[in-house]
Amino acid sequence: DAGVTQSPTHLIKTRGQQVTLRCSPKSGHDTVSWYQQALGQGPQFIFQYYEEEERQRGNFPDRFSGHQFPNYSSELNVNALLLGDSALYLCASSLGLPNEQFFGPGTRLTVL
Amino acid sequence: KQEVTQIPAALSVPEGENLVLNCSFTDSAIYNLQWFRQDPGKGLTSLLLIQSSQREQTSGRLNASLDKSSGRSTLYIAASQPGDSATYLCAVLILAGKSTFGDGTTLTVKP
Repeated sequence: DAGVTQSPTHLIKTRGQQVTLRCSPKSGHDTVSWYQQALGQGPQFIFQYYEEEERQRGNFPDRFSGHQFPNYSSELNVNALLLGDSALYLCASSLGLPNEQFFGPGTRLTVL
Repeated sequence: KQEVTQIPAALSVPEGENLVLNCSFTDSAIYNLQWFRQDPGKGLTSLLLIQSSQREQTSGRLNASLDKSSGRSTLYIAASQPGDSATYLCAVLILAGKSTFGDGTTLTVKP
């Protein structure tokens, strides 16, 4: 049973560029949440997708957007990258909510 | 606004010791609380999930308790081992679906 997978593992971008991160949920899961984790801090909730719609959103600017596909996989897009966007981006999936969340290995984004 | 605090930020113990990690939250209107383990640069591994109607959950050497009225949860680790060294995070989930995390406790177990 495949767990949550994310791609790519690492990414280096320059300021002002755009980036797309991808997540495949655990088999049978239909809800995907995205988190940003800065070094030494706990993950911060970005947004959550269910039935291809954004259901909840944290305190992140509109530069952060997402999408969920019919197969429940999801993308996180970040436009006009800033140095402060450098972080580990984590995807979590669950079977509906509120239920146990399972996390992927993350994508390490570095903005130069 | 829900805030989650974990104390201490770091803890170092000798192998074999029993230990307790603490998690406190400001708003008791939670749906569940989940404890995670994170190894450096890696994703989060789920350890235990406690529903708001439950008082505790156990898995192997781990036991987590929840006291919603006081806004507290504890994670008890029995007979600690060097392999338990990691950062432990707690997260509270509200009914609307948002999770709020603490900043974690970094545990070092010395052989």
